[in-house]
This record gives sequence, C-alpha cells and structure tokens, in this order.
Amino acid sequence: QVQLQESGPGLLKPSETLSLTCTVSGGSINNYYWSWIRQPPGKGLEWIGYIYYSGSTKYNPSLKSRVTISVDTSKNQFSLKLSSVTAADTAVYYCAKQVTTRVPNWFDPWGQGTLVTVSS
Amino acid sequence: QSVLTQPPSVSGAPGQRVTISCTGSSSNIGAGYDVHWYQQLPGTAPKLLMYLNNNRPSGVPDRFSGSKSGTSASLAISGLQAEDEADYYCQSYDISLSDWVFGGGTMLTVL
Repeated sequence: QVQLQESGPGLLKPSETLSLTCTVSGGSINNYYWSWIRQPPGKGLEWIGYIYYSGSTKYNPSLKSRVTISVDTSKNQFSLKLSSVTAADTAVYYCAKQVTTRVPNWFDPWGQGTLVTVSS
Repeated sequence: QSVLTQPPSVSGAPGQRVTISCTGSSSNIGAGYDVHWYQQLPGTAPKLLMYLNNNRPSGVPDRFSGSKSGTSASLAISGLQAEDEADYYCQSYDISLSDWVFGGGTMLTVL
C-alpha cells in the first residue's frame, strides 16, 4: 500500500523559499502523477501543482510564477519549491498521488501533511 | 470564494440521513468533469470518500453515496454515526481555470 510522507522546514521568514520533499513508500513513483495541495489554517484545500514521473509538470495558474515541482525517481521522491513566501502561504502542505483515468483526476492517498508557517 | 460551492455546515442526529451539496458551473461539473469527495477528520489529512461521482473506495461503508446532475453533485450519508463528524470536501476540474478545484468544505455535526 502506497504511503506518502512530507518533510521540510516548518518555519520560514517572508521572502524565503519554501522547500518540501515527499517520500513515496510501498510502491514506485514511476508511471503516476504526484501532486501538492495546501490548506491554510481553518480554511479549504488548494491544489498547487503536479508532476508526472517523467518530469512533466502542471501548476495552479495563480501560483505558477513562484512554484517549481521536481522528481527524483531514484529516491522515490518529489519536491516542492515555492519562492518569495508571505504570511498568506502559511498552510498545511500535503503531497498526494493523483489518480489518472483518461486524465489526472482524484487524489489518493495523501500524506499526513506538514505545517509551514511564514513569520518574521 | 471557492469555485465549487458547499454549505458551510450541516447537522443531523444519529441514525438520520444528511446530504451535502456541491454546486459548480458550466466550466467544471456542468462541463462533464467528474466529482470526487473527501472526508477530513479533525487534525488529519483528507481521505478519499467517493470517486467518479458515485464510486466508493474499498473500506468506505455503503452508508455513503454520491450523485451528480447538471452543474451539481451531492454526497448523502445515511444512518449517521458519531464517527462521521468531520469536514467534507468535493473536488472536480475546471476547464476555464485549467485547475483542479475544491469546494470550500462542509462541517458535519452529529447531534
């Protein structure tokens, strides 16, 4: 059974770059789509972007200028970088497998999430 | 303001049936894109509850059912149990935004 685990710094200062890694265990990262999703405290969910194991990516248009998602198939990991963070980027960040039918579709499973706080 | 609109909260007594609506538009649900539902228990990550409108993953009780019609979808929970108290989110794809979108979430309270 595939499991995902996020890791990375939990506290950042404004203007810094958020860097998170998601480690996939119990299955291969190959042949699937992998996404990042975030949830500000007390608020709803926002899709950030996905990466295919081959390296192709798609990002939320509202975040596209600041987001980079990369993959390391040798380590069964994929990563998120979000530049120039502000307090509005404070959220729990989840990684998830994006299940594909004809197109990338629903998210399952999810990692447990990691809280990233942006504060001076 | 979420692209998919859900009621902020619903409630019901144990054993009752509740429904949670998810209203979209012609650029998402109404365009034929499928709807998926997630359950988020307090302090935990969302968990897939329903996929492709009305399909339950293994392990999800048949008390949960989903439907889709026009620009809306619904999640029904029958035989409410205390353990169903959680936030529920719908999700689809929006062709105008070129973005996977979520509803704002609905908090279910079991009275």
